[in-house]
Amino acid sequence: SAVISQKPSRDICQRGTSLTIQCQVDSQVTMMFWYRQQPGQSLTLIATANQGSEATYESGFVIDKFPISRPNLTFSTLTVSNMSPEDSSIYLCSVERAGKGTEAFFGQGTRLTVV
Amino acid sequence: SQKIEQNSEALNIQEGKTATLTCNYTNYSPAYLQWYRQDPGRGPVFLLLIRENEKEKRKERLKVTFDTTLKQSLFHITASQPADSATYLCALEGQAGTALIFGKGTTLSVSS
Repeated sequence: SAVISQKPSRDICQRGTSLTIQCQVDSQVTMMFWYRQQPGQSLTLIATANQGSEATYESGFVIDKFPISRPNLTFSTLTVSNMSPEDSSIYLCSVERAGKGTEAFFGQGTRLTVV
Repeated sequence: SQKIEQNSEALNIQEGKTATLTCNYTNYSPAYLQWYRQDPGRGPVFLLLIRENEKEKRKERLKVTFDTTLKQSLFHITASQPADSATYLCALEGQAGTALIFGKGTTLSVSS
């Protein structure tokens, strides 16, 4: 299994500011995934982060709004930029145990409220 | 594009009964399907994975079926307990073979 530490666990931010969420994994992984979970909704994939290359973003998400860093095989950050109340969500990072076709592990999530 | 539907947002049952949750998908033929449990304020936790060549998989009180003809998976919890109360999510691999795509989930409430 993989243990994922994600922080902060929650934050309340002013609109127009940015928040960086950190995700640390206890083992080396090739791909890390960032999801958003809006209230009452399921998880929506934001982007896939590979070490050493630019993140791949899903439709509806752009790098300027959600820049991602992946400096090594155990760490990644997601920044939510120029926040608005619509960005209030839970943000989750995830890894797969042994690549495609295996179970995924999640951090505990970051509950973001933008006021 | 691929679509996943969990046809009940909420399911309420009595302790001891079997809970059956449904996951349907369209526009895709996944090689596997997964089920997760999510408690409030926590990230999803993996429960079971079933591959396209497997009809059924069991783990303790949990059973998952996978019907690739109907494009449907059923998730059963037998002898349900109040501690089983949570949101259950089904997930498929992305069509591009990347990250998991999740259904909206079914929130199960087991009353004693």
